[in-house]
Amino acid sequence: NAGVTQTPKFRILKIGQSMTLQCAQDMNHNYMYWYRQDPGMGLKLIYYSVGAGITDKGEVPNGYNVSRSTTEDFPLRLELAAPSQTSVYFCASSDTGTGGTDTQYFGPGTRLTVL
Amino acid sequence: SQKIEQNSEALNIQEGKTATLTCNYTNYSPAYLQWYRQDPGRGPVFLLLIRENEKEKRKERLKVTFDTTLKQSLFHITASQPADSATYLCALGYGNNRLAFGKGNQVVVIP
Repeated sequence: NAGVTQTPKFRILKIGQSMTLQCAQDMNHNYMYWYRQDPGMGLKLIYYSVGAGITDKGEVPNGYNVSRSTTEDFPLRLELAAPSQTSVYFCASSDTGTGGTDTQYFGPGTRLTVL
Repeated sequence: SQKIEQNSEALNIQEGKTATLTCNYTNYSPAYLQWYRQDPGRGPVFLLLIRENEKEKRKERLKVTFDTTLKQSLFHITASQPADSATYLCALGYGNNRLAFGKGNQVVVIP
């Protein structure tokens, strides 16, 4: 099992550009999440999904979009990048549900800088 | 407003001693509470989960307590080792299996 994978590891964007952060998991988890982590701050939930075709906003969704067409993939789209979106982005999945442990498994993160 | 508070100051501790971290929260009614470890440049890694009807959980050298009346969790690392040096995150479980994270507390174990 590769677990949760994220690409790219690093990216520099110019203001106004757009990009997609990729996230994939091979554990057949229904729940997936996107967080951002700013220096010295806790993880903030951007969007989450409880299954393919179902997504919902988290605490800080503005400026982002997501889709979940398969169980495995949960891409995060940034439109019109702004300096305030400079952060480290983590994707996670969870084995929530009957017999699950409710724990989240995190990817290695994508470090994004917007200049 | 909802808050999760962890000590912002790093905890420096001598090898072999017990490290104790505190997580306090307000205006949450979590169904469970989790602790994660995060190393620099890496994603968080799950350590322990304790549910609202449990008082204490142990795993190897780790122990977690959960007091829903005090709205507090304590996280203990016994016989600490330099390899335990990391940032430890407290996370509260709420609706739709979401987690709300504290800012984390850094632990430095001195050999």
